[in-house]
Amino acid sequence: EIVLTQSPGTLSLSPGERATLSCRASQSVSSNDLAWYQQKRGQAPRLLIYGTSNRATGIPDRFGGSGSGTDFTLTISRLEPEDFAVYYCQQYSGSPSRYIFGQGTKLEIK
Amino acid sequence: EVQLVESGGGLIQPGGSLRLSCVASGFTVSNTYMSWFRQAPGKGLEWVSVFYTATTIYYADSVKGRFTISRDDSKNTLYLQMNSLRAEDTAVYYCARGRPNYGDYFLWGQGTLVTVSS
Repeated sequence: EIVLTQSPGTLSLSPGERATLSCRASQSVSSNDLAWYQQKRGQAPRLLIYGTSNRATGIPDRFGGSGSGTDFTLTISRLEPEDFAVYYCQQYSGSPSRYIFGQGTKLEIK
Repeated sequence: EVQLVESGGGLIQPGGSLRLSCVASGFTVSNTYMSWFRQAPGKGLEWVSVFYTATTIYYADSVKGRFTISRDDSKNTLYLQMNSLRAEDTAVYYCARGRPNYGDYFLWGQGTLVTVSS
């Protein structure tokens, strides 16, 4: 079974800075099957990126996704105050179908 | 408005049963696939089960044999029947709608809390 490992566990940055979040898979993943979510305390997850690099509806262009194979990245170009939250990567694995999440990266205000 | 609304959570004793509902609005559940996810207090997200069709259903190993996912197209509703509940099933449960040809879930409900405790 594929394992997703996110790093760092916690990222401390200031508004206006650039954030780079990593998601590493234990084996190669199809680019179509990698997504990123944002979750704020007490709220449901919110889809940011699907298919590695496609922004979901309504997501600002300061959010970007990239990567291939086993290494994927979520980049937030200039942090806004509302971006401080927990971020999860997620992958679809077939045969049998299952959906796997990384353990999350907490993005906190420095 | 396109949305998902979960209900049915609550406090239940270990070994008990509970049925969660997820009512969809603004789209037809029979035209898509949907999953249940959960999040234990202070923990990360965990996939629970996916309903593609009545004959194509999958479960996480942690709930296989105890949980049953189903769908009522006439009510535009997804269900999760949870039996033999354990303390470790305590979590907020979310239903979500999946995107064809990709592996993401682009529409989520607000969640319903299930607490398994004596």
